[in-house]
This record gives sequence, C-alpha cells and structure tokens, in this order.
Amino acid sequence: DQQVKQNSPSLSVQEGRISILNCDYTNSMFDYFLWYKKYPAEGPTFLISISSIKDKNEDGRFTVFLNKSAKHLSLHIVPSQPGDSAVYFCAALVASGTYKYIFGTGTRLKVLA
Amino acid sequence: KAGVTQTPRYLIKTRGQQVTLSCSPISGHRSVSWYQQTPGQGLQFLFEYFSETQRNKGNFPGRFSGRQFSNSRSEMNVSTLELGDSALYLCASSQIPDRANYEQYFGPGTRLTVT
Repeated sequence: DQQVKQNSPSLSVQEGRISILNCDYTNSMFDYFLWYKKYPAEGPTFLISISSIKDKNEDGRFTVFLNKSAKHLSLHIVPSQPGDSAVYFCAALVASGTYKYIFGTGTRLKVLA
Repeated sequence: KAGVTQTPRYLIKTRGQQVTLSCSPISGHRSVSWYQQTPGQGLQFLFEYFSETQRNKGNFPGRFSGRQFSNSRSEMNVSTLELGDSALYLCASSQIPDRANYEQYFGPGTRLTVT
C-alpha cells in the first residue's frame, strides 16, 4: 500500500523554465510534508517542507503547494537550473506518536541547458 | 557540526553471509532511521530507533535487524543475505520529538552488493 505516490518517474525541463514535481497521498492523517533532493552517490538533502495547516511555503526558487482536499502537493522550481538535475522525493509524516516518515518513489528531474 | 556518517560506504558480500552497517547521527539527535533504496522503489523504511528503543518498524523480514547504543549510534544487521538485498542503505537522524523540527538529515549511504 503506497501511501505516498510520485507518478512521474522522470521530467525534463529547459533551463530557466518552471519545473513542477507532483506528489499524491492517501492518508489524511499526514500533517507534515517534506521534499528532498538526491544526487547520485549522496544521501538525500532536505529542500523544503510544509505543514498541513498551510497551503503554500516558499523558499527562494522553491515553492511547495498543498491541496488537502485533493491530497496533492507539488514542488515548483523557478527558474530551473542545470544544478537542479537530481532525483526528488516527497515524504509525509504524522507528526505525533511514532513519527514514521513515508517516502514516494522519486522523480528524476533533468534540466536541459 | 558534523553530519551523519555511515560506514562502510561500499560493501560486497556473498549470498548467505551476514552484514553489519553502522551509522553515527548528528550530535544531539536521538532519533535514527534506516531506509533501503532500490531503483524504482524509492526509500523503503526499515526501522527507527529513539533512545535505544525501536519505535517504528517497516515491512521487512526478520533477517533485517538493528539496534541503537546509548550514544545514539546505530547499527543494522542483515543475516542470510539474498541477491535482492543489494541496495543503498541510508541512515537518517532527526531531533524529533525533542524539538519540533521534522527534518531528517541523511548520511551518504552504504552501497551493499550481494553476489
């Protein structure tokens, strides 16, 4: 039972354009969401997060949008840069009790120069 | 502050053998989680330890086990290795629930190859 899904395994975007990465979830108990970026041969690094009480969080070129009614979140990168080419994972968390993180399968973003 | 460290970085084992991986969390972090990453499967949660107690467990067979020491360092062990255990094993530490900072900080991983 995949509670967090990233249905697009890969995405290619031209440099300077917007990259939109999507993530769907099924568990309405999730109350915190995070995005991680992963380069080959490295561990994932934290990018941005959002609480379920918000619908948008922005940090520089990165913005995360949360649509609770649709159980959908998205990560926008504007403008996209070649250095953004990596695998992006979304993760969800019930921020109480056992604090178990559920990760999606990842989306490989390629930004073309 | 030093990041999460994992040893060894690379490991080659034969089917049927056992392996122990080590993780040192960021100083002050008491929660340590382990994940398995394989192509197309994302990060599959193995287990999480907090103050030497296993607090969470994923859907992996009993061949996968772990422990945490009083200094928060953690080890995971895989016994009777199978070819399908070949993967990148990632360790992550966090401050929850000591602080309401939900970020997990990952180590570089241990690449395990089973032949």
